[in-house]
Amino acid sequence: EADIYQTPRYLVIGTGKKITLECSQTMGHDKMYWYQQDPGMELHLIHYSYGVNSTEKGDLSSESTVSRIRTEHFPLTLESARPSHTSQYLCASSGGLAGGGQETQYFGPGTRLLVL
Amino acid sequence: KNQVEQSPQSLIILEGKNCTLQCNYTVSPFSNLRWYKQDTGRGPVSLTIMTFSENTKSNGRYTATLDADTKQSSLHITASQLSDSASYICVVSDRGSTLGRLYFGRGTQLTVWP
Repeated sequence: EADIYQTPRYLVIGTGKKITLECSQTMGHDKMYWYQQDPGMELHLIHYSYGVNSTEKGDLSSESTVSRIRTEHFPLTLESARPSHTSQYLCASSGGLAGGGQETQYFGPGTRLLVL
Repeated sequence: KNQVEQSPQSLIILEGKNCTLQCNYTVSPFSNLRWYKQDTGRGPVSLTIMTFSENTKSNGRYTATLDADTKQSSLHITASQLSDSASYICVVSDRGSTLGRLYFGRGTQLTVWP
């Protein structure tokens, strides 16, 4: 079992609210990722980080933002939630010198977000 | 266009039976291929990883194969158990960038009935 945690596990909020999804890992991994997954669909990378103070947007356009102030912490923020943001959000991390694609990504349990 | 296609989309088998899941990919340049297991409401967990030079990798009752020439992979599950019920995701990594871009399939939803 990987030591990567996400909170909350489930969140139901109203449109327009600001939310932050938390992700923490205790493995000392330098790389962290946020994915969005809809039922029956593939994971889409929305943000990633190579290390502290490094953040990049992924392939899927997202209105969310991320920060990486500490190695172990990679929170994702939605300034104004909309029903289109309803989805499952998965955080992952990987470490080592082999390069991102060579490293196994360890996933958190996910946050299921429902925006009404 | 780099893609990963999995089949079947869903599969129902009886406990104790074997099954094989398929993955076809067009990712290039190829780096490695992983199979992940994702239980309902959980994050994916890595089962196997194979590089270009490997054509078989086992992890307990799970055996993955890779044919890099035809760009096909399979995951064989032997003597299925109820706990095998999950989505199995094929993930291919390329060598085209430092990040090592991952391409995800949509998964095969396996249900094992008693």
